[in-house]
Amino acid sequence: DAKTTQPPSMDCAEGRAANLPCNHSTISGNEYVYWYRQIHSQGPQYIIHGLKNNETNEMASLIITEDRKSSTLILPHATLRDTAVYYCIVRDFGNEKLTFGTGTRLTIIP
Amino acid sequence: EAGVTQFPSHSVIEKGQTVTLRCDPISGHDNLYWYRRVMGKEIKFLLHFVKESKQDESGMPNNRFLAERTGGTYSTLKVQPAELEDSGVYFCASSGPNTGELFFGEGSRLTVL
Repeated sequence: DAKTTQPPSMDCAEGRAANLPCNHSTISGNEYVYWYRQIHSQGPQYIIHGLKNNETNEMASLIITEDRKSSTLILPHATLRDTAVYYCIVRDFGNEKLTFGTGTRLTIIP
Repeated sequence: EAGVTQFPSHSVIEKGQTVTLRCDPISGHDNLYWYRRVMGKEIKFLLHFVKESKQDESGMPNNRFLAERTGGTYSTLKVQPAELEDSGVYFCASSGPNTGELFFGEGSRLTVL
């Protein structure tokens, strides 16, 4: 079972920052937080991951709370192409398996 | 660089028939995974290869499913005989060593009538 809780859906205006929350209150010390997204019927796409420090790449930023019980994925300037289902996944680095939950369906509004 | 490719993109078969799905991972990726999404459900892990060896096959639903990766390159997933509940999208992914960044293919949609 997925160890994360996400809102089922969110809307965001085009050009604004999209902030997607994720709760993972039972995360353990050796587990990373990963974010993937699935655009329409394509295969899932990796976005970003982190352990305890905030991370940023060309796609997004990941903010992890100090107690690591929750995190937020930030898409700084959302575009229509960012409309997708976003999955927050907790993964033990020694375990290659990804456990997908139900994710958040993000809709970018023109 | 070519991504993960899957074939066929869509297959329609009758119950009791056999289907073989193929996945070509990114060149040089030792890790290869199969996942699937059945209608209305979440994406579920099926199994994980490291080169030609099955590292974890805990997600395989039953013995009607057989995955192979001879030579450690491409992989096949055979369903024999197919049942109605096998309908869904089968995703393949690959990754390099020590990374959680999986590269997924576009999936193979299986419809069993």
